[in-house]
Amino acid sequence: AQTVTQSQPEMSVQEAETVTLSCTYDTSESDYYLFWYKQPPSRQMILVIRQEAYKQQNATENRFSVNFQKAAKSFSLKISDSQLGDAAMYFCASRAKAGNNRKLIWGLGTSLAVNP
Amino acid sequence: DTGVSQNPRHKITKRGQNVTFRCDPISEHNRLYWYRQTLGQGPEFLTYFQNEAQLEKSRLLSDRFSAERPKGSFSTLEIQRTEQGDSAMYLCASSLVSGVGEQFFGPGTRLTVL
Repeated sequence: AQTVTQSQPEMSVQEAETVTLSCTYDTSESDYYLFWYKQPPSRQMILVIRQEAYKQQNATENRFSVNFQKAAKSFSLKISDSQLGDAAMYFCASRAKAGNNRKLIWGLGTSLAVNP
Repeated sequence: DTGVSQNPRHKITKRGQNVTFRCDPISEHNRLYWYRQTLGQGPEFLTYFQNEAQLEKSRLLSDRFSAERPKGSFSTLEIQRTEQGDSAMYLCASSLVSGVGEQFFGPGTRLTVL
């Protein structure tokens, strides 16, 4: 079974500052992906960043980077130089890499507010 | 192709009525997923298709729920005899089988059952 836990229901950050969102997971899969998705208010879910479990190097996408600690089953998202447009719900999710069903297992989300 | 589309975007219905939602995936995507998201929660998997075959259904999908994907293109999700607990956002996503299989999401259909 797979579970994803986000322990921060709400976070806030000042514009231009850095914020880190936490996520822990549990999985019985030997190989898997981890994701951070962003869901702006009344807008659709979009992928922010993806990490392959077998890769030790942390993924980076522009201002977004992850701290992937496989042994600790931790997968945090760091947003640098926060912008007003970063305000959204952020969901951590996991998915098996192989096999037929690649359903996403989601955390409860973290609501991020960006203060001007 | 502009991505995954879902219709309607909003649906208000009375308890006991039947509703049907439609999802049009990205054209070359052979996998299609349905998720349900209630307020303040993360999405929960409902079911998925590979082409026209429905390969897995969550236990969340009671016998009042049925999904189809005729001809492996668009998909419909029908809820019969709606209940207030069915009020939620219904999300559709599509992906390729090959490669990473990144799921691209539609805007969702928000259902309110009165």
